[in-house]
Amino acid sequence: AQSVAQPEDQVNVAEGNPLTVKCTYSVSGNPYLFWYVQYPNRGLQFLLKYITGDNLVKGSYGFEAEFNKSQTSFHLKKPSALVSDSALYFCAVRVPNQAGTALIFGKGTTLSVSS
Amino acid sequence: NAGVTQTPKFQVLKTGQSMTLQCAQDMNHEYMSWYRQDPGMGLRLIHYSVGAGITDQGEVPNGYNVSRSTTEDFPLRLLSAAPSQTSVYFCASSYSRDGNYGYTFGSGTRLTVV
Repeated sequence: AQSVAQPEDQVNVAEGNPLTVKCTYSVSGNPYLFWYVQYPNRGLQFLLKYITGDNLVKGSYGFEAEFNKSQTSFHLKKPSALVSDSALYFCAVRVPNQAGTALIFGKGTTLSVSS
Repeated sequence: NAGVTQTPKFQVLKTGQSMTLQCAQDMNHEYMSWYRQDPGMGLRLIHYSVGAGITDQGEVPNGYNVSRSTTEDFPLRLLSAAPSQTSVYFCASSYSRDGNYGYTFGSGTRLTVV
């Protein structure tokens, strides 16, 4: 079955430290991978995507993600965390359906950055 | 402002009542979809549409109906509300059905069924 997993429910980091939010996937064919962020009482916002090309993808707010085909991972990273980065992060993967494709989402990881 | 607009933002229903969650986008997006978000379960796809007049079921379609009479609007109907439908509902749209351009999400509707 095609799926995406976020193994950590919560990640805690101190402000200024690097952060990593993990994501692994299982899909047939070449994966299209996405990261979204959700702030409290808001909808999801697109951060970045991997379609093809360079394995290191840069996105909004200083975030980046590294695609690793051998480990089927797409971890989200940031060199220096900010308190304002505290939010719920979702990894998503494109899967085929009757209409062509749809996005399926992981369960989400809460990132908490302390000052 | 361009984007996806969902109404209402909050709603409380009694078991058995029906209602329609509204979703409208002004970006001329072809693809629209409805997700529900439940704690610890992420987002699950309810229904989607690839254009006016074309809809199909997602992962959790039972108890919900949709229609797409125009490109802009994609309402979600709860036929007979049940407590299990208590959730936060998100509408999302995309320029293309393949997801290459990412999805634009509305701000959500928080529904409580008592």
